[in-house]
Amino acid sequence: DAGITQSPRHKVTETGTPVTLRCHQTENHRYMYWYRQDPGHGLRLIHYSYGVKDTDKGEVSDGYSVSRSKTEDFLLTLESATSSQTSVYFCAITPREGQSSGNTIYFGEGSWLTVV
Amino acid sequence: GNSVTQMEGPVTLSEEAFLTINCTYTATGYPSLFWYVQYPGEGLQLLLKATKADDKGSNKGFEATYRKETTSFHLEKGSVQVSDSAVYFCALSPSGGSYIPTFGRGTSLIVHP
Repeated sequence: DAGITQSPRHKVTETGTPVTLRCHQTENHRYMYWYRQDPGHGLRLIHYSYGVKDTDKGEVSDGYSVSRSKTEDFLLTLESATSSQTSVYFCAITPREGQSSGNTIYFGEGSWLTVV
Repeated sequence: GNSVTQMEGPVTLSEEAFLTINCTYTATGYPSLFWYVQYPGEGLQLLLKATKADDKGSNKGFEATYRKETTSFHLEKGSVQVSDSAVYFCALSPSGGSYIPTFGRGTSLIVHP
């Protein structure tokens, strides 16, 4: 258990509304990631963070923004949700130990988002 | 760039059959290799890992050996159970510098009684 909590776990929202998903970790991990998982596409990286206020884009970042104002929280925001953003969103972390743990990734339980 | 290729599913087996899910990778240097398992409605759980060539990762009867010469990390289990039905993801994490992992697309395993 890497101490990762995602919220909300399930959400239904309307097209055009803003949505924020929260990833909270309790063990001071440096690297945090947001992925989306869709049938036929596997896991796709949206954004990642390598420290407070240090974030970068992944392969499917359009329509998403992130913020990390403190180590324990990594927020994913959909500024104006669209139906194509209906998906399961996973937060993940890499432990602070880095190389000694083989850069193992640990995942949160997921947030199911439906945009209607 | 890095890539992971795993066999497409679904893989359908009878209980107690032998399982192999192939995984090959492309990466520079010496990445760490992982298998994750995802049960319906849940997140991805680390199943096993190997951090250097010829290492064997094992857990819950599953095994995979890091083969540098063939750039492979095939997942095997001698006797599958219905409870092993899930989606399995092969992944790599680069050595040095970048901490951005690369995942395969996942292989669905269905085990019938």
